[in-house]
Amino acid sequence: GAGVSQSPSNKVTEKGKDVELRCDPISGHTALYWYRQSLGQGLEFLIYFQGNSAPDKSGLPSDRFSAERTGGSVSTLTIQRTQQEDSAVYLCASSLEEGLWTQYFGPGTRLLVL
Amino acid sequence: KQEVTQIPAALSVPEGENLVLNCSFTDSAIYNLQWFRQDPGKGLTSLLLIQSSQREQTSGRLNASLDKSSGRSTLYIAASQPGDSATYLCAPQCSFSGNTGKLIFGQGTTLQVKP
Repeated sequence: GAGVSQSPSNKVTEKGKDVELRCDPISGHTALYWYRQSLGQGLEFLIYFQGNSAPDKSGLPSDRFSAERTGGSVSTLTIQRTQQEDSAVYLCASSLEEGLWTQYFGPGTRLLVL
Repeated sequence: KQEVTQIPAALSVPEGENLVLNCSFTDSAIYNLQWFRQDPGKGLTSLLLIQSSQREQTSGRLNASLDKSSGRSTLYIAASQPGDSATYLCAPQCSFSGNTGKLIFGQGTTLQVKP
């Protein structure tokens, strides 16, 4: 079956612009995670959605970052007023539910802020 | 706060060698631990998941062990091949109250297998 998909695969933007990154999880997976991979920080957790529960936003680096998940499926990560330090690969993962299940990752969106 | 360390950071070996990649973590309260592979410019591919109650998992030439009490996991690669060249990431999934199952990643071991 189809895996996790993300779009766009690459995004170049100017400092100060807003960007939206999209994630389509595996069908039937109730848990969805966003991670960020940057040269200086490695792979770090950003935000988590599970069903209708309130999301865990503890990993978001600033209030310029937000995410939503519509209908328990597709998720959008929005970065407002982008800064050069936001340049990274943004990875989305999904799993059947939290805790015991394997997380499957998408190919990522490579964001470059000029 | 969970911290994950992977040793070595990089490894270069001739084809056919058996390899051991090490991972240590500071908080033993984990649901499970996943090993991933990442090829350059690509996303992460899950290799093995070990539940906290298990001591090892095997998939083909890969074997992962877990010693939760000492905070260690080992990925063993048998008869390495050039196609195994990639970065290998260890990620425990924490289980303390209120946690959401997020993965905490090590910095990875970059493996090069020479033909």
